[in-house]
Order: sequence, then structure tokens, then C-alpha cells
Amino acid sequence: DIQMTQSPSTLSASVGDRVTITCRASQSISSWLAWYQQKPGKAPKLLIYKASSLESGVPSRFSGSGSGTEFTLSISSLQPDDFATYSCQQYNTYPWTFGQGTKVDIK
Amino acid sequence: QVQLQESGPGLVKPSETLSLTCTVSGASVSSDTYYWSWIRQPPGKGLEYIGYMYFSGTTRYNPSLKSRVTMSLDTSKNQFSLKLTSVTAADTAVYYCATSRAVRLEILDSWGQGTLVTVSS
Repeated sequence: DIQMTQSPSTLSASVGDRVTITCRASQSISSWLAWYQQKPGKAPKLLIYKASSLESGVPSRFSGSGSGTEFTLSISSLQPDDFATYSCQQYNTYPWTFGQGTKVDIK
Repeated sequence: QVQLQESGPGLVKPSETLSLTCTVSGASVSSDTYYWSWIRQPPGKGLEYIGYMYFSGTTRYNPSLKSRVTMSLDTSKNQFSLKLTSVTAADTAVYYCATSRAVRLEILDSWGQGTLVTVSS
């Protein structure tokens, strides 16, 4: 299976900060990567697919980039609603696999 | 917007079968537009993809769980289900159901809130 590794595991930030999360794949996955936002007790939410395509309805402060084995999710100006855990998912090769998650909490 | 809600026992004994149901609203499980998936997340760990099924009965399971997993659809109730046999403590997790559009089945558009299943005697 393709291993997905996210860094950092936890990130402390303030409202208004620019935040960047990295996801690395154990082998090339082209651009077949999605990002999800998770909050406790709530349904995970799709943010980005195909590495950089913004899902409809997702605020434009979220952006994704990368290809091959290294990818990033950026939040241009962190809002109170953005404190959550973010997970990447590769869908180049079945079984689709996820990173371990990056928790963004309040500094 | 498709909405999903998981339901089932929160406690299962070791060696028994875990059974969960996902109730769908806003779409039909018998539609060719959607795929229906299960994903789980053990405490403190990342998400793990379990498998998917299609209205036609097509299924695809994670090879690591394939020998123990069965998914099914109940079109009369607009639900889909997961059965996982011979459970152990390692199967303790929050279980999510999710859907994806057929044109991009790998991308999980809508998820349920998840249900915690604990395996313990």
C-alpha cells in the first residue's frame, strides 16, 4: 500500500495566520490527492481534489499544490472555523490510503 | 446534498460480527450516480479505507480486510450496510459511511458523522 505521511502532526496558529501542511507519498501518485477537514463529532468535509482543485463551496482561502510525492495544503488566513484536523488521501492506487492527520489548534 | 447517518451497536464482543447501517437521504442507493463507501479511524490513528459498493452489486474491498468484510444495499430502506466478522480489539474505531459520484468514485464527497464501535468483552 502507498504510505501517506503528513507533517507536522500538530500545528499551533492564530487567527489570520497563513498555515501550510505537507503530505508526502511513499511513491509517485501524480496529482491524485484529496484533502479533507475533520472536526470532532462532525462529518469530514472534502476540501481539495486532484491536488489543487477546490471543491465547490469551499472558501478560496484554502489551496492545494504539488504532484508526484510531495503536496501541500495552505490556508491563506486562518479563520476560527478552520481549527480542525486535516487529512490527505491518495487515490492513485487501490487501496486508497490516508495520512495520519494534522491537527491545527489555537496558539 | 447527500446526507448519511451511521447506526449500529457501539459495543461488540471479540470474535463476533460487527454490523453497521448507513441511512441515506438526498439520493437513492439504487442510483447509478453514486458509489457507497465505508471508512474507519482507530483512536489516535489515521483513516483507513474499508471498501465500496455500487448499485449493481459491484464491490471492492481493502485487501487487508477482504476476508472479513461484506457490504450490501437495502433499496427498500435506502440504506447500505457493513459486516465485519471475527472482530478483535484492533477493529475498535470510528466507522464512517460516505458517498462519491460515479464520475469520480475515489473522491469522498459526503460523509456521515461516524459511529464509535468498541470491541471488548
